[in-house]
Amino acid sequence: NAGVTQTPKFRVLKTGQSMTLLCAQDMNHEYMYWYRQDPGMGLRLIHYSVGEGTTAKGEVPDGYNVSRLKKQNFLLGLESAAPSQTSVYFCASLRDNEQFFGPGTRLTVL
Amino acid sequence: DAKTTQPPSMDCAEGRAANLPCNHSTISGNEYVYWYRQIHSQGPQYIIHGLKNNETNEMASLIITEDRKSSTLILPHATLRDTAVYYCIVRNTDKLIFGTGTRLQVFP
Repeated sequence: NAGVTQTPKFRVLKTGQSMTLLCAQDMNHEYMYWYRQDPGMGLRLIHYSVGEGTTAKGEVPDGYNVSRLKKQNFLLGLESAAPSQTSVYFCASLRDNEQFFGPGTRLTVL
Repeated sequence: DAKTTQPPSMDCAEGRAANLPCNHSTISGNEYVYWYRQIHSQGPQYIIHGLKNNETNEMASLIITEDRKSSTLILPHATLRDTAVYYCIVRNTDKLIFGTGTRLQVFP
C-alpha cells in the first residue's frame, strides 16, 4: 500500500502559468480532499470530493478547479497561477473517521 | 462546523504528561471532536476522536467534559518525537476544518 501520494513534490511557476497537481490513493477511499497551508497557518480546505464524479467547494475554492474522474485520483488545477497561491498543498483521503494525508506539494509562484 | 480555540503554544518536559486543552463552546450534539498533529512540514496525522465519552488509544487519551464544551488531549509520557502542532477539530459533515492549533514543544 502506497497510501496517498502526490505529484509533483516541488514546483515553481511564473504568474499566469497553469498546472495540475495529482493526488492518488490506493486504499479505495470514497472521500478525498485538497488543502493548502501557508507559513505558520493551519490547513485550509480548497475542494473535496465524496465519490467518483463528484466535487464540492471548501473554504478557499477561488482560483482552483478539481476533477475526480477516477475514484483513486483527485486532481487540483490552477488555471492562471498568482503569487498568492504560493503554498504547500496537501491531499487527503478518508476512511471511516480517519483522514490519511499525502506528503505535500510545495508550490512557488513568482 | 463549530469553531475551536486552542492555546498557540505549550511546553512539556520529556517523560511527563502533556495536557492540551481545546475549547469548543458552540459544539452541537452530533459533532465529534477530532485531534490531529503535524510534525514539522509533514502531512497531518490522525490521533484520536470522540463524541461524548472519554477515549483512549495507543497514542493518547481524550477527555471530553460533560457539557462537551471543552476537551483535553493527553499524551501520557511525552517524548521529543511528540514535538508538533496539535489540531483540535469538531466535525459533523464530510469535511475537517483546521484551526491554527497548539505548537507543543517537548524538551529534554
